[in-house]
Amino acid sequence: GNSVTQMEGPVTLSEEAFLTINCTYTATGYPSLFWYVQYPGEGLQLLLKATKADDKGSNKGFEATYRKETTSFHLEKGSVQVSDSAVYFCALSGIGNQFYFGTGTSLTVIP
Amino acid sequence: ETGVTQSPTHLIKTRGQQVTLRCSSQSGHNTVSWYQQALGQGPQFIFQYYREEENGRGNFPPRFSGLQFPNYSSELNVNALELDDSALYLCASSFRDRGPKAKNIQYFGAGTRLSVL
Repeated sequence: GNSVTQMEGPVTLSEEAFLTINCTYTATGYPSLFWYVQYPGEGLQLLLKATKADDKGSNKGFEATYRKETTSFHLEKGSVQVSDSAVYFCALSGIGNQFYFGTGTSLTVIP
Repeated sequence: ETGVTQSPTHLIKTRGQQVTLRCSSQSGHNTVSWYQQALGQGPQFIFQYYREEENGRGNFPPRFSGLQFPNYSSELNVNALELDDSALYLCASSFRDRGPKAKNIQYFGAGTRLSVL
């Protein structure tokens, strides 16, 4: 079946630090992979996506590369800001466009 | 702003009651999916509606049911509420091409927070 495993948080970083949030997946077929971000009291916003192996998704300084050989889609950012504080969810989309989410990783960036 | 709106934003019910949550999808979208997000957890897939028919269901009992209307808006109904139903319920809309392998981005609403006492 399909599942997503995310690095557990919470993660606390100083401003301008390097961020990595690990995500691995199990899937049948060839899923699309996503990172969504959730700010307090809000729904999920798409951060970036990749639809096939070796694709790199990027947005707002965040990047993630679809690695089929390691079944991973780790999220990275070179220099985090206080405004990046949120909960980050890794997700995959399987057949029929059904989404499977990880448990989320809470990030707090301190000035 | 995703163009997906959910109502109400908050709701308090007691055990055994029934609840209806509503979702208006983004213009041009024909698919609506519903998710339950318990506190501190990721969203769990409840079911999906495509062109007014249920098109996939997660591991939720039959007391969770839904509808999609001709304008592609949707309702989630939960009967016989239990305490564990307390959660944030998220609706997501997308545009799905014909064919079972279509993979499209889902756009989420802000959710309805349901508390069952």
